[in-house]
This record gives sequence, C-alpha cells and structure tokens, in this order.
Amino acid sequence: DGGITQSPKYLFRKEGQNVTLSCEQNLNHDAMYWYRQDPGQGLRLIYYSQIVNDFQKGDIAEGYSVSREKKESFPLTVTSAQKNPTAFYLCASMNTGSGYGYTFGSGTRLTVV
Amino acid sequence: LAKTTQPISMDSYEGQEVNITCSHNNIATNDYITWYQQFPSQGPRFIIQGYKTKVTNEVASLFIPADRKSSTLSLPRVSLSDTAVYYCLVAVTGGGNKLTFGTGTQLKVEL
Repeated sequence: DGGITQSPKYLFRKEGQNVTLSCEQNLNHDAMYWYRQDPGQGLRLIYYSQIVNDFQKGDIAEGYSVSREKKESFPLTVTSAQKNPTAFYLCASMNTGSGYGYTFGSGTRLTVV
Repeated sequence: LAKTTQPISMDSYEGQEVNITCSHNNIATNDYITWYQQFPSQGPRFIIQGYKTKVTNEVASLFIPADRKSSTLSLPRVSLSDTAVYYCLVAVTGGGNKLTFGTGTQLKVEL
C-alpha cells in the first residue's frame, strides 16, 4: 500500500544533541512538508520542498534543517539550536496536480530528557 | 495568505448533525478548500475538498457559498468516534505550495 512512513514513533533527545526524524513516501508525490504540533495546538509549518534538491523555510524553521536528495525522502534534523524541541512532528506529502490534498504520516513524538 | 478562522470547540450528541464553519475572507481565485480530521497522536486525515457550491462524499458534505469567503463542513448523524479536531485548509497559490493550517475546531460528541 502507498503511504508515508515516519520513524521512529517515539524519540528521546538529550540537551545539546542533534536528532534526525525520518520521512519516506512511496506515493510518487512531488511536494513534502514538515509540521510541528504542540499539545492542544494546531500545526505549524517548519519546512517544505516542492522538488528534489530544493526546499523552503516555513513559519518556524529556526533550529531545524532538512534535505531532499531523493523524491521519496525528506528527513528533518532537530538541532541543538532549537530551544523547545519537545513536540509531535508530522510529515506530509502532496501530489501538486491533484487539488492540494495532503497525505500525512503517523508522526514522531520527540521528547527532550 | 488565505487565513482561516474556525470556532475553537463545539459540542454535540450522538445522532445529531454537526456543522462547522470556516471563514476565509481573502481566498484566492484558484484556491481549493479542504477539511481534515485529526485524532490525538495521529496525523490528520483528509475528509473532503471543494471549490464551490456543494460537495458530498460518504462521510461529509461541504457547502461553499458563491462568494467563497466561508465554507461549512457538515457531518450527518455524528457518533462518539467523530470526536476529533477538524481543520479547514485553504490552498495558497501565490506562494507556491506553502499550505498553512488554522487552529482547528475540537468537536466533542457525547451520548
């Protein structure tokens, strides 16, 4: 079945560490996105990519980095510069020719310990 | 950017019809309106999408007036399992494919 796979489901990070969240899709979608969600809050856009080897900052990009070396993959690195990284992270993809419908992954919950 | 405004929360009872309205006053000509449902600790799930007038699928209806400055998601005969957060999303065309979610509406369904 086609879909988006995020891993790991739960991730613990020590203060000062960088961690990378994986996002892989087999939907052949062009665009991919990373969102952050805090408890009781909506989704905030971190980064997005419309094509391979290109990506743009979203509304809250500081302290995060991404790469898009392959169409299927869009990993997110949470760096030590991100002061409040504890959150639920969601990856999504979209076929830009189909009316802007997202497909979301199941999310990664990151906790700083 | 086409900013959306929704009620923060709504309460209902099983078997009732629920209507959630989203305002998007500066929607662009080519923008679509899409609604998503999110359960705790899960990714949002597509419910329905429309451009104008009325769209219906097996789970919901979407009503869009002629001026397209608002839209209403209608959930017929809700059940406890419809308790979730519902997001209205309006596509941003001028900024490429950067899509911004609103705050969502927390729907609580009780017996």
